[in-house]
Amino acid sequence: DGGITQSPKYLFRKEGQNVTLSCEQNLNHDAMYWYRQDPGQGLRLIYYSQIVNDFQKGDIAEGYSVSREKKESFPLTVTSAQKNPTAFYLCASRGTGDREQYFGPGTRLTVT
Amino acid sequence: AQSVSQHNHHVILSEAASLELGCNYSYGGTVNLFWYVQYPGQHLQLLLKYFSGDPLVKGIKGFEAEFIKSKFSFNLRKPSVQWSDTAEYFCAVTDSWGKLQFGAGTQVVVTP
Repeated sequence: DGGITQSPKYLFRKEGQNVTLSCEQNLNHDAMYWYRQDPGQGLRLIYYSQIVNDFQKGDIAEGYSVSREKKESFPLTVTSAQKNPTAFYLCASRGTGDREQYFGPGTRLTVT
Repeated sequence: AQSVSQHNHHVILSEAASLELGCNYSYGGTVNLFWYVQYPGQHLQLLLKYFSGDPLVKGIKGFEAEFIKSKFSFNLRKPSVQWSDTAEYFCAVTDSWGKLQFGAGTQVVVTP
């Protein structure tokens, strides 16, 4: 089955630690996106990548980093510089010429 | 920069009542419009989308939305809601670059 997988579903970390969230897709999509969801704020774009080895900052990139070494994978690192990292993180992908994004199941990160 | 505004943050209504959720966007160019739904504990799902053509679009589960270009609006409607429609609803807009901009979301609670 084609789709987007994010793992793990729940992640707990201590403050001051970097943590990497996984996002994998087997849809052969070129573009991939990371969003953060907070209550009452909808989804906000963190980073996006239109093609392998290239990525751009979204609206709230501070404290995050990404890489895009493979077409299938777009991991997101939440660094210790992110002031409020506890949130629900969603990954999405989009095929070239497609106007719709497809979302993964999300990872809920809790930092204490 | 484009923005998306959803008029209500919380809506409570009884089963069989009609639902209308407002969505306005600010963007002067060609847009693609979406409504997503997130049921409790579930993935973000696409309810319906508008790219071009008939401004009245029908989606899944009896939902429909009307694009009114002159009002920059894309309101979601359902004539008769069910308890299972309890969810959070997000309006979203993309520009030609494919970046999704989400509204803050509307939490809908349907009481039996």
